Amino acid sequence: AQSVTQLDSHVSVSEGTPVLLRCNYSSSYSPSLFWYVQHPNKGLQLLLKYTSAATLVKGINGFEAEFKKSETSFHLTKPSAHMSDAAEYFCVVSEAGYSTLTFGKGTMLLVSP
Amino acid sequence: EAQVTQNPRYLITVTGKKLTVTCSQNMNHEYMSWYRQDPGLGLRQIYYSMNVEVTDKGDVPEGYKVSRKEKRNFPLILESPSPNQTSLYFCASKSQGMNTEAFFGQGTRLTVV
Repeated sequence: AQSVTQLDSHVSVSEGTPVLLRCNYSSSYSPSLFWYVQHPNKGLQLLLKYTSAATLVKGINGFEAEFKKSETSFHLTKPSAHMSDAAEYFCVVSEAGYSTLTFGKGTMLLVSP
Repeated sequence: EAQVTQNPRYLITVTGKKLTVTCSQNMNHEYMSWYRQDPGLGLRQIYYSMNVEVTDKGDVPEGYKVSRKEKRNFPLILESPSPNQTSLYFCASKSQGMNTEAFFGQGTRLTVV
């Protein structure tokens, strides 16, 4: 069975400082991993995905994530936060042989001026 | 434009009055699913469909029904809504396979009084 744990329910940063959103996964097989972002009153938008190619994945809006199998982690980072990054972020896992997605509980990113 | 369309966006109803939330996608995706989003719980899967006439329960199916008569449509039916079904609902579609990302509708905010 697959599962996802997002280690922080809320993360607060100042504009211009680095962002780190942490995600650990559990999967019986080689997983695919995704990060989605949800801005207030909006649907979910794909930020980036890992599908067993390069372990460092670059996404939209300057975000990237690194797949670390030994640590079962897929943390999301950005070098410099922007006010428009304030949103809720979801880490998602999909396991080999399945099309279903399992979501983490989400991390709310707050960006202050 | 590739999209998943949900209707209505907002709905207030009374306990016990049957309702249907529609979901349609124009990407010829085989896989469609419904999620509910509640604060602190992330997105939980209600039902999913691997293809026409193939549906299965997700993590929280009680009180919901679905049907998949056509590939593009996947309506969510609440036969007798109750206040604990007050939530934000998302429909998603994706092509088969673990590496493919899901596309989400804009959400339906349902209030049952």
